[in-house]
Amino acid sequence: QQPVQSPQAVILREGEDAVINCSSSKALYSVHWYRQKHGEAPVFLMILLKGGEQKGHDKISASFNEKKQQSSLYLTASQLSYSGTYFCGTERGNKLVFGAGTILRVKS
Amino acid sequence: DTEVTQTPKHLVMGMTNKKSLKCEQHMGHRAMYWYKQKAKKPPELMFVYSYEKLSINESVPSRFSPECPNSSLLNLHLHALQPEDSALYLCASSQGLAAYEQYFGPGTRLTVT
Repeated sequence: QQPVQSPQAVILREGEDAVINCSSSKALYSVHWYRQKHGEAPVFLMILLKGGEQKGHDKISASFNEKKQQSSLYLTASQLSYSGTYFCGTERGNKLVFGAGTILRVKS
Repeated sequence: DTEVTQTPKHLVMGMTNKKSLKCEQHMGHRAMYWYKQKAKKPPELMFVYSYEKLSINESVPSRFSPECPNSSLLNLHLHALQPEDSALYLCASSQGLAAYEQYFGPGTRLTVT
């Protein structure tokens, strides 16, 4: 079953912050986050594992609440390069099921 | 080298044609994947190979036939496709299944006429 992402789209100005949420009706063992720029392949951002800590690199971080079966991706002081579609993915057996995606557009 | 390569970049084929998509990785990854992506949709899993054996087939029509000749190569053979099969076909690889990051290739943009 596909995880649910919100919002569907968000427009920011450079320097603003954004939060993208990912939730599941089933128990989560891990949550993956990917970013796909227009016309390019998805690029891995981070994995959050059950029982693991909040992860982050640069100004992008994420949290994983196992009890609520949800994860959030935090983009701080957004840059133009952050524009793209963000997908969360959840484990189902030995495969990854992606959410519908959140379109992020950062304007100057 | 963290690159997954795919050929061709673009492919136009008729409904009676036979063609193949190729994917290659040299990261020593033991899992390889084929995804199909339609515009404004997430990647949709088609096949998973683990240690060169087909591990998952997501009920894909038989007009798509995957092949894993060795641990670095993954092919997708196409035959008698339909116009609705037009999409971006992405290959990915990972060190293991599920809880490992996946590295995606640039994709093959397929148009079926």
